[in-house]
Amino acid sequence: QQPVQSPQAVILREGEDAVINCSSSKALYSVHWYRQKHGEAPVFLMILLKGGEQKGHEKISASFNEKKQQSSLYLTASQLSYSGTYFCGTEREGGLGGGADGLTFGKGTHLIIQP
Amino acid sequence: DTAVSQTPKYLVTQMGNDKSIKCEQNLGHDTMYWYKQDSKKFLKIMFSYNNKELIINETVPNRFSPKSPDKAHLNLHINSLELGDSAVYFCASSQYGGYTFGSGTRLTVV
Repeated sequence: QQPVQSPQAVILREGEDAVINCSSSKALYSVHWYRQKHGEAPVFLMILLKGGEQKGHEKISASFNEKKQQSSLYLTASQLSYSGTYFCGTEREGGLGGGADGLTFGKGTHLIIQP
Repeated sequence: DTAVSQTPKYLVTQMGNDKSIKCEQNLGHDTMYWYKQDSKKFLKIMFSYNNKELIINETVPNRFSPKSPDKAHLNLHINSLELGDSAVYFCASSQYGGYTFGSGTRLTVV
């Protein structure tokens, strides 16, 4: 079943912060986050595994609440280059493992950063 | 070197035709995928291949068939193309981690 992302769209000024949420009704093994710019392929940002860890690099970080089956992506002090559509992709618990099931993606959050 | 490469980048064809999209990865990944992205940007998995074995096949019409001559290649053959097949098709690969996507093939059926 498809994870639910919110909000659907966000418009920010450069330097502002954003939070994108992803929730699933199924027990999850992992949550992936990707960014896709117009006309380009999705680009991997980070993966969070079952265990409720938080990850981050530069000004982009994410958390995974295993009990709630929710993940959040945090973008701080946003830059123009952060603009794009952000997708969460989920891998269910109890699946084939090793990525064999593939990811089920949310509908995406469209992020626009204005100067 | 491009990690995951797809050809062609654009494909315009008439209804009823048969076409193929090629995908190659040089990352040494064990698993490859085909995803379809529709006009609303929804990414839906079509196939997953692990070590040349089809692992999962979502509710995809049997007009679509993946073919993997070796671990580094996963091609997509589409028979009797329909208008609703118009979309961007992405190939991807992974090895117990994040996916690396190809640049996509924009298929337009007229």
